[in-house]
Amino acid sequence: EADIYQTPRYLVIGTGKKITLECSQTMGHDKMYWYQQDPGMELHLIHYSYGVNSTEKGDLSSESTVSRIRTEHFPLTLESARPSHTSQYLCATQPRTGVGNSPLHFGNGTRLTVT
Amino acid sequence: KNQVEQSPQSLIILEGKNCTLQCNYTVSPFSNLRWYKQDTGRGPVSLTIMTFSENTKSNGRYTATLDADTKQSSLHITASQLSDSASYICVVSDRGSTLGRLYFGRGTQLTVWP
Repeated sequence: EADIYQTPRYLVIGTGKKITLECSQTMGHDKMYWYQQDPGMELHLIHYSYGVNSTEKGDLSSESTVSRIRTEHFPLTLESARPSHTSQYLCATQPRTGVGNSPLHFGNGTRLTVT
Repeated sequence: KNQVEQSPQSLIILEGKNCTLQCNYTVSPFSNLRWYKQDTGRGPVSLTIMTFSENTKSNGRYTATLDADTKQSSLHITASQLSDSASYICVVSDRGSTLGRLYFGRGTQLTVWP
């Protein structure tokens, strides 16, 4: 059973389009994260949130935005997609404890291709 | 610079054989180290966590070790199965507080052949 839902699973879109990647969770976790993952590379933190109305930028945040209006939802928006945005995007949650004390729970990702 | 290095980058073994994956880190201060398994097309799943005081921990056929002095960890897989084919990611946390951050390795891609 999936506790973290990411949609769409796959997306092919043209350059310049605005897109929103959805992430929903049913576990009631306060912390949510967006990571970017390329083949053979480490995960890079894009944005994170410690709760409703809390959002922070990660290492790769300059071209995207997030919102956290409800605990369950943490959508990621690219205002103008570029081929360099082609990647796997992973959403993760974590309960309210020290940052490394509980495991991250990941969704199955959105594979984005920008043509 | 805080880093996490994993080796080998990829590994192919025959079903039933054992293997060991390595993780070296320079993260400081150190809080804990986790090993994640990521199946193709799925998100990573936590296998085990190692804290500063722990040397060895097992989870079924997976055994993780930690040497905090040399800043090295290993993940040993016993009697490999086809379902062990996945990427194994080492993640180090620099402190247990909300202010801490996570450092990810690039993973070891394990392929188990029948």
